[in-house]
Amino acid sequence: EPEVTQTPSHQVTQMGQEVILRCVPISNHLYFYWYRQILGQKVEFLVSFYNNEISEKSEIFDDQFSVERPDGSNFTLKIRSTKLEDSAMYFCASREQGTGNQPQHFGDGTRLSIL
Amino acid sequence: QKEVEQDPGPLSVPEGAIVSLNCTYSNSAFQYFMWYRQYSRKGPELLMYTYSSGNKEDGRFTAQVDKSSKYISLFIRDSQPSDSATYLCAMIHTGGFKTIFGAGTRLFVKA
Repeated sequence: EPEVTQTPSHQVTQMGQEVILRCVPISNHLYFYWYRQILGQKVEFLVSFYNNEISEKSEIFDDQFSVERPDGSNFTLKIRSTKLEDSAMYFCASREQGTGNQPQHFGDGTRLSIL
Repeated sequence: QKEVEQDPGPLSVPEGAIVSLNCTYSNSAFQYFMWYRQYSRKGPELLMYTYSSGNKEDGRFTAQVDKSSKYISLFIRDSQPSDSATYLCAMIHTGGFKTIFGAGTRLFVKA
């Protein structure tokens, strides 16, 4: 079964550094998402991306964050000037285009640890 | 009032029991409802997806949606130790992009 793949599985970064999290969505999917889950808390929406532009973003997704689809297969989340509170699991998700709102399929996440 | 309320548990049941998990929500704009299963250090795995009120069955899993009461449920029949995980309810507005998750219920099925 096709799946969303994320790399790396664990990223350790010094506070203030930039980090790029990478995702390969399911190949025929057209909508892409990033979510965050701080340890012990609920999964939170960050941003959705469709047709090469952001379609919706949350309050969390401020100027520190950016997303990009650099080629036909990858989808990235960049976090500039990381802070301790950015430590979390980051999940990429994708969904196909269809009638109604199709469910999103998630990768296994990147655990980001800011030191 | 939170948009989506879900009892975090933990819920502990013996193997073979019927498990009932549920969520309530406050916003009638939610029209799409999902249940995800999440194992430790893994991503949410889609179990069930429903749109209309009523029941949807898939193997040992039954999802139930009651839009009039703003209440959704997931039933697991003949529960197995491998069902031990956190179960997340999730929903999307009509025309929306983001999925709103409940806090998740931790389930333990004892052999």
